[in-house]
Amino acid sequence: EAGVAQSPRYKIIEKRQSVAFWCNPISGHATLYWYQQILGQGPKLLIQFQNNGVVDDSQLPKDRFSAERLKGVDSTLKIQPAKLEDSAVYLCASSLSRGPRDEQFFGPGTRLTVL
Amino acid sequence: KNEVEQSPQNLTAQEGEFITINCSYSVGISALHWLQQHPGGGIVSLFMLSSGKKKHGRLIATINIQEKHSSLHITASHPRDSAVYICAASGGSNYKLTFGKGTLLTVNP
Repeated sequence: EAGVAQSPRYKIIEKRQSVAFWCNPISGHATLYWYQQILGQGPKLLIQFQNNGVVDDSQLPKDRFSAERLKGVDSTLKIQPAKLEDSAVYLCASSLSRGPRDEQFFGPGTRLTVL
Repeated sequence: KNEVEQSPQNLTAQEGEFITINCSYSVGISALHWLQQHPGGGIVSLFMLSSGKKKHGRLIATINIQEKHSSLHITASHPRDSAVYICAASGGSNYKLTFGKGTLLTVNP
């Protein structure tokens, strides 16, 4: 079974530039998560989708971050414009559903460096 | 204050030693997760437990619901166990994961 795919794996941009990340979850997984992991910290949930609807985006900085999952399968996360403090690893995860016993499967992450 | 606290932050051990990593949480949970993250790699789920104890190979996870505390033990540690171990609690209506900051484990040969 293929895992969660993410691209690119690494991205270096200058502040005020835009960047987009892509995630393809495990086939059949209805729930998709985007996390931000700053060095030395645990992941922080940015947004959670159930199919193509947003379940939780309470910690997404909506003035600069946006995410979509138009067909309920793959998803993109965009930052526009980027700030220095956005340097982090962006992790995508998926689960079959969003129940208490549903395990989340994580992708390899995209490491973003903002200069 | 983070709702999920782990200790220690860093741990160095010699190969063969018994390792314990602790996790305390302050929120009501539906499950407690232990995850492993290798440098430059993604995150792998090790255990998901809501009561008692689970064992997988040399790894053992325990949880005490009354004390809001969980431990991850590694028996006969090996250098390949070197990684960041993260505790996460799921709860709330969306079973959202709240993560600890992680414990960096280094096992020297």
